[in-house]
Amino acid sequence: ETGVTQTPRHLVMGMTNKKSLKCEQHLGHNAMYWYKQSAKKPLELMFVYNFKEQTENNSVPSRFSPECPNSSHLFLHLHTLQPEDSALYLCASSPSGTDTQYFGPGTRLTVL
Amino acid sequence: AQSVTQLDSHVSVSEGTPVLLRCNYSSSYSPSLFWYVQHPNKGLQLLLKYTSAATLVKGINGFEAEFKKSETSFHLTKPSAHMSDAAEYFCVVSDLAGTASKLTFGTGTRLQVTL
Repeated sequence: ETGVTQTPRHLVMGMTNKKSLKCEQHLGHNAMYWYKQSAKKPLELMFVYNFKEQTENNSVPSRFSPECPNSSHLFLHLHTLQPEDSALYLCASSPSGTDTQYFGPGTRLTVL
Repeated sequence: AQSVTQLDSHVSVSEGTPVLLRCNYSSSYSPSLFWYVQHPNKGLQLLLKYTSAATLVKGINGFEAEFKKSETSFHLTKPSAHMSDAAEYFCVVSDLAGTASKLTFGTGTRLQVTL
């Protein structure tokens, strides 16, 4: 285990649903990240949080809403998603001031 | 801007034979470079990291990579493949922006190991 957990591991939702993805890290890190992994495309960075503050939003549509209540938890709130949002969503964390990121197992999201 | 090119989308080797996964990078400064592995339905696991301390980097599970600045390459090798090595491998370059890092991923190389 990498010390980064994600729930749920699988999620199927309709286009009108609202759901949330959760990420928790037990490594004492201060930076947390959301990535999207789609088939045949490189990993796409979505959001970066450093000491609970959002430091990067990589032009992500507003139907994805992140929340970082503390340095150990990161959420991704989902609403009115599109089928093309179906992907593996990966969370990662890193110690502040270093560039080595540790990844969770991901949430496989399917939007119907 | 930095970028990574993984030259092969798919590599197939026989068990017990050497593995070579190729990666070229582009960066305007001395980068940190990584190889991550992703097994089916799993997250990404760090294999090894280059940070300029030594050009030959040893990682987990018998993998190693050599940083060649003149060739802007960071190829991943293993002397003898095992069935459990079958997975997707990602070459990654890092930009440490402030105190949070920004990773740029290659498109991945799927390694198949046959008997």
